[in-house]
Amino acid sequence: TQLLEQSPQFLSIQEGENLTVYCNSSSVFSSLQWYRQEPGEGPVLLVTVVTGGEVKKLKRLTFQFGDARKDSSLHITAAQPGDTGLYLCAGRYNFNKFYFGSGTKLNVKP
Amino acid sequence: DADVTQTPRNRITKTGKRIMLECSQTKGHDRMYWYRQDPGLGLRLIYYSFDVKDINKGEISDGYSVSRQAQAKFSLSLESAIPNQTALYFCATSDSRDGQYFGPGTRLTVT
Repeated sequence: TQLLEQSPQFLSIQEGENLTVYCNSSSVFSSLQWYRQEPGEGPVLLVTVVTGGEVKKLKRLTFQFGDARKDSSLHITAAQPGDTGLYLCAGRYNFNKFYFGSGTKLNVKP
Repeated sequence: DADVTQTPRNRITKTGKRIMLECSQTKGHDRMYWYRQDPGLGLRLIYYSFDVKDINKGEISDGYSVSRQAQAKFSLSLESAIPNQTALYFCATSDSRDGQYFGPGTRLTVT
């Protein structure tokens, strides 16, 4: 049973398009993280959101934590081929363990 | 230099062999984790440790053991490797508030 559901699983878009990835759960998390992973490498932490309703921006990436701290979204504006990769969300439960979604594989075509 | 290092990066071994994967970190974090990643299954937690004297099983600990030799070192052992343990293995560290920092991974193949 996946505690965190990510959607979509796969996304193939043209350079310059916008996209949104969703991460949903029925559980409340103390914080939520987003990672990006390239093939054969470890996930790289992009952001941690802690407060319900929090919005963080990282250049063309916008991360939002749901008001109830159960869900999150990642929005990319004007996607570029360099954004290609696997995007993972993870919820931190009781400040101890992390639970990962199964990921969204993004391909941005030039 | 990388904050979290793993050795070896690639390993091919035979069924029944004992193998150890090692992880070192310079982040100064107390918490360390071992995950495996399989296509379509995401990252699954094998073991985690909050300090040298604290070791906890994750969701898939059967067939694995760990040792926390020091705050900065956390090793994972497969006592008798089997083919379905073929996977990508990651070590990670965290503090009490932020997310996790991952090593580059070990690609393990059991034939």
